[in-house]
Amino acid sequence: GQQVMQIPQYQHVQEGEDFTTYCNSSTTLSNIQWYKQRPGGHPVFLIQLVKSGEVKKQKRLTFQFGEAKKNSSLHITATQTTDVGTYFCAGPNQAGTALIFGKGTTLSVSS
Amino acid sequence: EAGVAQSPRYKIIEKRQSVAFWCNPISGHATLYWYQQILGQGPKLLIQFQNNGVVDDSQLPKDRFSAERLKGVDSTLKIQPAKLEDSAVYLCASSRGQGAQETQYFGPGTRLLVL
Repeated sequence: GQQVMQIPQYQHVQEGEDFTTYCNSSTTLSNIQWYKQRPGGHPVFLIQLVKSGEVKKQKRLTFQFGEAKKNSSLHITATQTTDVGTYFCAGPNQAGTALIFGKGTTLSVSS
Repeated sequence: EAGVAQSPRYKIIEKRQSVAFWCNPISGHATLYWYQQILGQGPKLLIQFQNNGVVDDSQLPKDRFSAERLKGVDSTLKIQPAKLEDSAVYLCASSRGQGAQETQYFGPGTRLLVL
């Protein structure tokens, strides 16, 4: 069945280092969304990408949608302790009615 | 704008007992989702409502799980009887419209522990 895969599962960085998480789909996606879940919290929407090759920035976060619309990445420049959490990508199911979430990448940051 | 409300926040039950969770979505949001999130996993969709109709319940274990959204606003999810593997966080989310392009707003979740 349709899958959304994320790597790495865990990443630990020193504060100030960069971080990247990758998302891959077994099928072409019409769009991809990214969510962040703080420890003990709930997922919070970050961004949606729709166009092939699209790049969007939110302060230190850069989101990219692959040319083939089957992969995406989230890059954080100069991580801060406030970036701690699990980052999920999510793509549409086959019917286009709902999202399939990846397993997430959990980021920890030490100061 | 008030967010998605869920109750209870925590629940501990023994296996074979029943439990119910309640969700009140953001006002005006037509679509409501129930997800199950097992520790270390992403949210897994259990059921999706559009107003008071079911859009997708293909991953709902219907032998023990049931959900309703009678008036197209708040919703309840029930498990009867519970099994150990039902221990998880149950997240409710809502969106203004229907479709995978919609932004979903999540509630704080109900943490269920089945002993």
